[in-house]
Amino acid sequence: DVKVTQSSRYLVKRTGEKVFLECVQDMDHENMFWYRQDPGLGLRLIYFSYDVKMKEKGDIPEGYSVSREKKERFSLILESASTNQTSMYLCASSPQVVRQFFGPGTRLTVL
Amino acid sequence: DQQVKQNSPSLSVQEGRISILNCDYTNSMFDYFLWYKKYPAEGPTFLISISSIKDKNEDGRFTVFLNKSAKHLSLHIVPSQPGDSAVYFCAAGIKAAGNKLTFGGGTRVLVKP
Repeated sequence: DVKVTQSSRYLVKRTGEKVFLECVQDMDHENMFWYRQDPGLGLRLIYFSYDVKMKEKGDIPEGYSVSREKKERFSLILESASTNQTSMYLCASSPQVVRQFFGPGTRLTVL
Repeated sequence: DQQVKQNSPSLSVQEGRISILNCDYTNSMFDYFLWYKKYPAEGPTFLISISSIKDKNEDGRFTVFLNKSAKHLSLHIVPSQPGDSAVYFCAAGIKAAGNKLTFGGGTRVLVKP
């Protein structure tokens, strides 16, 4: 079974803090994705990566950056957290097919 | 501009009856469609998919129908069970453009015993 893990299930941070969200997949997938989920808006793509050290902006990249130094690990960075970044963050991975496999999510609250 | 829309934010159905979830899209380049199911505090799990070369795909109690001319797909769950209570997302992608997916806003389904 594909396993995608995220470093924290719940996180509380203060405005202005730098936040790191980690995602690890164990199936040697080439592609990894970061989404945020907000009520009524579904899942919105923040960043994705097709390979190590490669990254591409998704639909809402502002305020975020990413890092992919190893194939199995994809990190999402909030350079200076703001209250409007309070959300559920979901990481996903996929091989060279369209179907994506999701982690359990990180509920981030920025105070 | 939302390219994938689920116009019903919620749906309530009696156990044993049919649940019908709808999804509309605007980008005619989409050639692959998926449905995901999500429980609270968990990540979405894959349910069923359909390629644009088909108009129907069935897997147990779940059937997805695709109407390309109307840019519309639907998910039928028959019979509905209380464990089906969750949020359902439709998603669309373009195979030649890599593995990006565009998701709808979700429909919350409640199956009453």
